[in-house]
Amino acid sequence: EAGVAQSPRYKIIEKRQSVAFWCNPISGHATLYWYQQILGQGPKLLIQFQNNGVVDDSQLPKDRFSAERLKGVDSTLKIQPAKLEDSAVYLCASSLITKGEAFFGQGTRLTVV
Amino acid sequence: QQQVKQSPQSLIVQKGGISIINCAYENTAFDYFPWYQQFPGKGPALLIAIRPDVSEKKEGRFTISFNKSAKQFSLHIMDSQPGDSATYFCAASKIVWRLTFGEGTQLTVNP
Repeated sequence: EAGVAQSPRYKIIEKRQSVAFWCNPISGHATLYWYQQILGQGPKLLIQFQNNGVVDDSQLPKDRFSAERLKGVDSTLKIQPAKLEDSAVYLCASSLITKGEAFFGQGTRLTVV
Repeated sequence: QQQVKQSPQSLIVQKGGISIINCAYENTAFDYFPWYQQFPGKGPALLIAIRPDVSEKKEGRFTISFNKSAKQFSLHIMDSQPGDSATYFCAASKIVWRLTFGEGTQLTVNP
């Protein structure tokens, strides 16, 4: 079974620029999550999708972050404009609704300079 | 009420020893307590999980002990191996797939 795929693996941008991350979840997984993991901390949930609908985006900084999940499969997370404090690893995860165990991708390491 | 506090931040154990990592939570509505293992450059991977209706769960060398009244749970790694060296995160959730993570423990197992 293929895992959660994310791209790119690394990205370096200047502050105030925009950036987008892509995630392809495990086939058949209805639930998709984006987490932000700042160095030395545990992952923090940014947004959760159930199929193509948003279930929880209470911790998403909506003035600069946006996410979508077209057709209930792939998802993109965008930051515009980026700030220095956005430097982190952005993790995508997916799960079967009935089981709940979340499978994580390798993440995208973002550095904002 | 959503916090999960984890200790220690780092842990060094000799090969063959027992590694113990502790977590405490505040929200009594939490009903799912997993432990994740993360290697450098990789995403977290589920190691073992427990629900509050049992006090202990064992899978191989990994055991979760759960104390509902104290709102604490811990991970025990028996016969620790150098390959266990990683960062370990406890987590908790009210609905099984909305996870609140602890701060992480960096485990080093010396040969």
